[in-house]
Amino acid sequence: NAGVTQTPKFQVLKTGQSMTLQCAQDMNHEYMSWYRQDPGMGLRLIHYSVGAGITDQGEVPNGYNVSRSTTEDFPLRLLSAAPSQTSVYFCASRTESTEAFFGQGTRLTVV
Amino acid sequence: AQSVTQLGSHVSVSEGALVLLRCNYSSSVPPYLFWYVQYPNQGLQLLLKYTSAATLVKGINGFEAEFKKSETSFHLTKPSAHMSDAAEYFCAVSGTAGNKLTFGGGTRVLVKP
Repeated sequence: NAGVTQTPKFQVLKTGQSMTLQCAQDMNHEYMSWYRQDPGMGLRLIHYSVGAGITDQGEVPNGYNVSRSTTEDFPLRLLSAAPSQTSVYFCASRTESTEAFFGQGTRLTVV
Repeated sequence: AQSVTQLGSHVSVSEGALVLLRCNYSSSVPPYLFWYVQYPNQGLQLLLKYTSAATLVKGINGFEAEFKKSETSFHLTKPSAHMSDAAEYFCAVSGTAGNKLTFGGGTRVLVKP
């Protein structure tokens, strides 16, 4: 099993550009989430999904969109990148009672 | 709303000494609790989890944690630190409606020879 696969691993954007971070899991998990990690702030939840077609906002959703058209995929869209979105982004999947499985992360720099 | 507080953003221990990382949580329902470890430039790896079975949970690499409902705590310990334990550790809780997984701010462990 590949687990949770995130692409790309690194990305540099100019302010105002848009992009999509990809996340795919092959474990048939119903829950998927996106987090951002910033120094001293732990992991903060951006958006999450409890199943295909169902998404909800987390703690820091502004500037990001998500959709969940299939169980496997949960892409994160940055609509108009800002320097404040420079961060490391992690995708995770889990079932209701299990631990979360994480991708390797995407290091995003917005200049 | 559920929340997690990790006391101490940085902990320094000598090799061979006890490692103690503190985690307190709030949750309106019986929680699931987790400890994760993150090595530099890597993703998060599960150390151990509490899911309402035994209150003392043993994990990988010699770590264990004890769930204390009365204290709303889930502290992580290891009797003897190794250099390889240098990493950042995160406590997380899940349990409220929507099953969000909420993380604490993390504790970075430095192991001195």
